[in-house]
Amino acid sequence: DARVTQTPRHKVTEMGQEVTMRCQPILGHNTVFWYRQTMMQGLELLAYFRNRAPLDDSGMPKDRFSAEMPDATLATLKIQPSEPRDSAVYFCASGSTTFSNEQFFGPGTRLTVL
Amino acid sequence: GNSVTQMEGPVTLSEEAFLTINCTYTATGYPSLFWYVQYPGEGLQLLLKATKADDKGSNKGFEATYRKETTSFHLEKGSVQVSDSAVYFCALRAAEYGNKLVFGAGTILRVKS
Repeated sequence: DARVTQTPRHKVTEMGQEVTMRCQPILGHNTVFWYRQTMMQGLELLAYFRNRAPLDDSGMPKDRFSAEMPDATLATLKIQPSEPRDSAVYFCASGSTTFSNEQFFGPGTRLTVL
Repeated sequence: GNSVTQMEGPVTLSEEAFLTINCTYTATGYPSLFWYVQYPGEGLQLLLKATKADDKGSNKGFEATYRKETTSFHLEKGSVQVSDSAVYFCALRAAEYGNKLVFGAGTILRVKS
């Protein structure tokens, strides 16, 4: 049963600390997306990779956020330094441009910055 | 304006009631349209989709018809169950939005037994 996995599922940290969230896309998928979900803003696209190359990160605050794909099996989203307003659920999704283009979402990382 | 507009929730229904969640969109050309569902504590799952005008997407008793003339993709189910309680997101994908998924704000559905 192929699924997108995300770690950690929950993270509580203090303001100013670095946070790293990890995502393992479904094997064979060539697109990866990072979303942030909050009550106020809903679901926002932060970054989008195709074949490990960043295609669009216009939704991401560049001063503190960074997204990378060191290899085809790992995507990371880092926040440094973290702030209370970063508290949200962060979702990773993967898909394949070869097939249906459907995005498959991971279970999310719930981040709380105190 | 918003690219995808959904009716505000929460929508509260009794079991076996008829469900409609309205969704309208703004796009030129012919976007693909989707409904995603998010159950408590989980990520989003694709519920159904339609890729051209007059197509009807259907899954698990839910249906939505792509109406180009009214730019709408309303979600319907004839008889809801408690297990349908979730957040429902309407979304589109179009070249003018970079072929990325653009989501509506989501509609909370609560079904009471």
